[in-house]
Amino acid sequence: TQLLEQSPQFLSIQEGENLTVYCNSSSVFSSLQWYRQEPGEGPVLLVTVVTGGEVKKLKRLTFQFGDARKDSSLHITAAQPGDTGLYLCAGGEYGNKLVFGAGTILRVKS
Amino acid sequence: DAMVIQNPRYQVTQFGKPVTLSCSQTLNHNVMYWYQQKSSQAPKLLFHYYDKDFNNEADTPDNFQSRRPNTSFCFLDIRSPGLGDAAMYLCATSRDAIGARYEQYFGPGTRLTVT
Repeated sequence: TQLLEQSPQFLSIQEGENLTVYCNSSSVFSSLQWYRQEPGEGPVLLVTVVTGGEVKKLKRLTFQFGDARKDSSLHITAAQPGDTGLYLCAGGEYGNKLVFGAGTILRVKS
Repeated sequence: DAMVIQNPRYQVTQFGKPVTLSCSQTLNHNVMYWYQQKSSQAPKLLFHYYDKDFNNEADTPDNFQSRRPNTSFCFLDIRSPGLGDAAMYLCATSRDAIGARYEQYFGPGTRLTVT
């Protein structure tokens, strides 16, 4: 079974600060997804990265897939209170299943 | 808009009283999943359907069952809920992993309380 280690587990920052969340594995993934989940709601897909070295931007969010497709990062620039939530990375596994990281709880204070 | 719908959003049941949660989708995806999620943890896969084929996870208790009568609908039955089954239950869908993009689309979840 493939594993994804996600760090940090918890981040509490002030509005306007930058942050990075990491997702690492010893296994190669064909793709990695990042989800954001707000309290009481289901996870929402933010991005999928497929190609090693790929960088994708979604407004203030930058996603990167490692060259070897074993790791990924999410960088948020100038965090806003609306960015608060649980961030999950997930990698595709044989059998149409996802392997999830443990999640990062982000709290942005105004 | 194409979407994944879960009903009810909140469900309260008594210890040992059977309960059914429902999920429907308008995405026409062939794979449907049920997850259990406890406070700010990653979702835990219970089982999934690939078309009509049921795939159970090895550690899913027998207390949890599922039905998929057609492409659009999927149900989660908890035969005798215990206090430990209180959680958020998430339904998700995906197409077959086209181009290795294992993207899943989640519903809003059903928060189950067991009294």
